[in-house]
Amino acid sequence: DAGITQSPRHKVTETGTPVTLRCHQTENHRYMYWYRQDPGHGLRLIHYSYGVKDTDKGEVSDGYSVSRSKTEDFLLTLESATSSQTSVYFCAISERDRAVSGANVLTFGAGSRLTVL
Amino acid sequence: GIQVEQSPPDLILQEGANSTLRCNFSDSVNNLQWFHQNPWGQLINLFYIPSGTKQNGRLSATTVATERYSLLYISSSQTTDSGVYFCAGWGGSYIPTFGRGTSLIVHP
Repeated sequence: DAGITQSPRHKVTETGTPVTLRCHQTENHRYMYWYRQDPGHGLRLIHYSYGVKDTDKGEVSDGYSVSRSKTEDFLLTLESATSSQTSVYFCAISERDRAVSGANVLTFGAGSRLTVL
Repeated sequence: GIQVEQSPPDLILQEGANSTLRCNFSDSVNNLQWFHQNPWGQLINLFYIPSGTKQNGRLSATTVATERYSLLYISSSQTTDSGVYFCAGWGGSYIPTFGRGTSLIVHP
């Protein structure tokens, strides 16, 4: 069990305010990801991390920043939230499947629904 | 990056029917997964299947890696199968790319 916890699960905020979403894992998985899900677009990668303080941009990174100061936590920050960032945000980890050599299995958290008014 | 195309985009079935969902990739992938997103929004891992065939109850999946596609079979569908099915693929970059999903509605 990957033990992924996202918080908050629901948030309503106003345009221009900062927002931070947290993803916490209970095991030492190296790779962590933030995706957003919008109708008609599927899941799009915002940022990902491949270790402590090692992060990189995904395809929709504008307006978002991330930090990973310890292995278990990956934070997603909207410095100044806009209505276009209303979405459902999913955190995911990539973990090795011990039963299958070379397999890197993606597992998702429960999601965080953000509404920007 | 890798492009992922899923078909059909929408599917409506009567309970008991069978269906096949398809996922095409623009390039070779070393990792491939199928997910089910239930009506509550949870993303559930169905299969990790970069090649070959796997079965889990009424669901099975086949990936033909040399031709860059994967198929998800749902037999004797039930209303609980409703939701959105996603496939994702990635290679050595560790960056999974998702298709836009197939929305499935199963009527009783």
